[in-house]
Order: sequence, then structure tokens, then C-alpha cells
Amino acid sequence: KQEVTQIPAALSVPEGENLVLNCSFTDSAIYNLQWFRQDPGKGLTSLLLIQSSQREQTSGRLNASLDKSSGRSTLYIAASQPGDSATYLCAVRPGSAGGFKTIFGAGTRLFVKA
Amino acid sequence: NAGVTQTPKFQVLKTGQSMTLQCAQDMNHNSMYWYRQDPGMGLRLIYYSASEGTTDKGEVPNGYNVSRLNKREFSLRLESAAPSQTSVYFCATGESYNEQFFGPGTRLTVL
Repeated sequence: KQEVTQIPAALSVPEGENLVLNCSFTDSAIYNLQWFRQDPGKGLTSLLLIQSSQREQTSGRLNASLDKSSGRSTLYIAASQPGDSATYLCAVRPGSAGGFKTIFGAGTRLFVKA
Repeated sequence: NAGVTQTPKFQVLKTGQSMTLQCAQDMNHNSMYWYRQDPGMGLRLIYYSASEGTTDKGEVPNGYNVSRLNKREFSLRLESAAPSQTSVYFCATGESYNEQFFGPGTRLTVL
């Protein structure tokens, strides 16, 4: 059974710092992996989607990498800002017949101090 | 475009009452999903509809029913609400196995 883990559960950094959020999954047979941002009391906002054939995706100050063989993805945030404070979630689409049954991690709560 | 809309935003029920959560999308996506989010548990899939006319169970379907009314609308029904169904419910849409887009959520409390 696919399991998705995000460590750490919470992270506090000073403004301007570069940081890495981690996501690990137990079964390497995935279709893709998606990173989301969630602000308190709000829905999820899609940040990046990495297909299983890709190694990384970039959007602005965000860069997500995928290493299927080791079951890991990282979200790199450059030059963090207080507005980046939110919970970051990763989600895995299992490969083969389970592609609609997305598995989410519990998230990393990020606080960027001004 | 509104994207994904959910109604109501908040709801309080008594144990045993029934209600339907509504979701509509204007993104012309074939697939729609219902999730629940609980503290420390992450999001868990309740039901999904891969395309109009089909629905399938997700990880936690017990106590829920769904209806894919048409391509735009996907509703979630609680026939007899229980306190364990207190949660935040999210609807999402996507095209096949690709990127998912979420609605703003419905906060449900069952007393």
C-alpha cells in the first residue's frame, strides 16, 4: 500500500533563507507527484506537477525534483518570504490501475519570519 | 471563470441528520473527486468520478454516497451524519491522471 510521508511536520526559517521540503513515498510505481500549498482555512493551490518520466519542474522561486527509484521528492524554495508561510502538501498518483486514488502526505507547515 | 465551487461553506448538523454537499466546476474536466481533511491525517479520498456516468470508492467511502449529476456537478451525500464525519470536505477536478484543482472546502460539524 502506498504511503506518503512529509518531514519535518513544521519548519520555521528567517526571511531570505533557501529551504527544502521533503516528501517520501513507499512504492516507486507512480504516475506523477503534485505539490500543493494550503493557506489556513483555505483550499489547496497547485504549485507543481512532476510526471514520472521527469526529474524536475520549476516555477518562479520553486523547484521540485523527483527521484522515483529512491521514493523521494523535494520542493526547493529560493529566497523565502513571509508570504510563503503556509502548509505544503505533496500528493502521489499511484501507477497502473490506481491512478485516480491520489495519496496525500500530512504536510509541512512552514513559517517564514520577517 | 469560477474554477471549482462548493456549497455550503459551513454546516452544523445533529447526529442522524442528512445533507448533500454540492460541487460544480467550469474547467470542462472529466474527473472529479471528494476528499476529507482531518488534523494530522492529511487528505483522504472518499469517492471519485473518472468521467461522467461513473463513480468509484476511494479510501474512506463508508457513510457517504455520491452522484455525478452531469459533467459539471458532483455531489456528496451524508444519509445519517455521525460525529466522526466532522471534517473539512474538499472537491477537486482534473483531466484523467493529471493536475488536480481544488475548491475552497466545506466545514462540517456534526454534534
